[in-house]
Amino acid sequence: EAGVAQSPRYKIIEKRQSVAFWCNPISGHATLYWYQQILGQGPKLLIQFQNNGVVDDSQLPKDRFSAERLKGVDSTLKIQPAKLEDSAVYLCASSLAGVSEQFFGPGTRLTVL
Amino acid sequence: AQSVTQPDIHITVSEGASLELRCNYSYGATPYLFWYVQSPGQGLQLLLKYFSGDTLVQGIKGFEAEFKRSQSSFNLRKPSVHWSDAAEYFCAVGANNNDMRFGAGTRLTVKP
Repeated sequence: EAGVAQSPRYKIIEKRQSVAFWCNPISGHATLYWYQQILGQGPKLLIQFQNNGVVDDSQLPKDRFSAERLKGVDSTLKIQPAKLEDSAVYLCASSLAGVSEQFFGPGTRLTVL
Repeated sequence: AQSVTQPDIHITVSEGASLELRCNYSYGATPYLFWYVQSPGQGLQLLLKYFSGDTLVQGIKGFEAEFKRSQSSFNLRKPSVHWSDAAEYFCAVGANNNDMRFGAGTRLTVKP
């Protein structure tokens, strides 16, 4: 069974630029999560989708972050414009049945200069 | 909201020695509890989880954890550590089957 795929794996941008991350969940997984993991901290949930609807985006900085999940499969997370404090690893996870069964992708490491 | 504390930022153990990583949670009801491991450049891998029932939970790679409600703890243990266990370990708590909160992690170094 293929795992959660993410791309790119690494991205370096300058502040005020835009960036987008892509996630392809495990086939059949209705729930998709985006987490932000800042160096030295645990992952923090940014947004949760159930199929193509948003379940929880309470910790998403909506002035600069946006996410979509078209057709309930792939998802894209965008940052526009990026700030220095956005430097982190962005993890995507998918699940068939809640957080108890979520599988994580390898993450995208973003460096904002 | 629920929260997790991992008191140890970094632990060093010798290969073959026993290991215990501490995790304390805050939540009013019975929590969902998890331990994940993250190797450099990798995503998180679930080691074990607890929802209910037997408070001693067995996981993958020889790990186990014990839920102690009276101490609000869910410590991870392994009787004999291998060099390949060197990684970052995260404890997490869920209020239900959603809304997971992670601790800050404990980095494990294994000495030869």
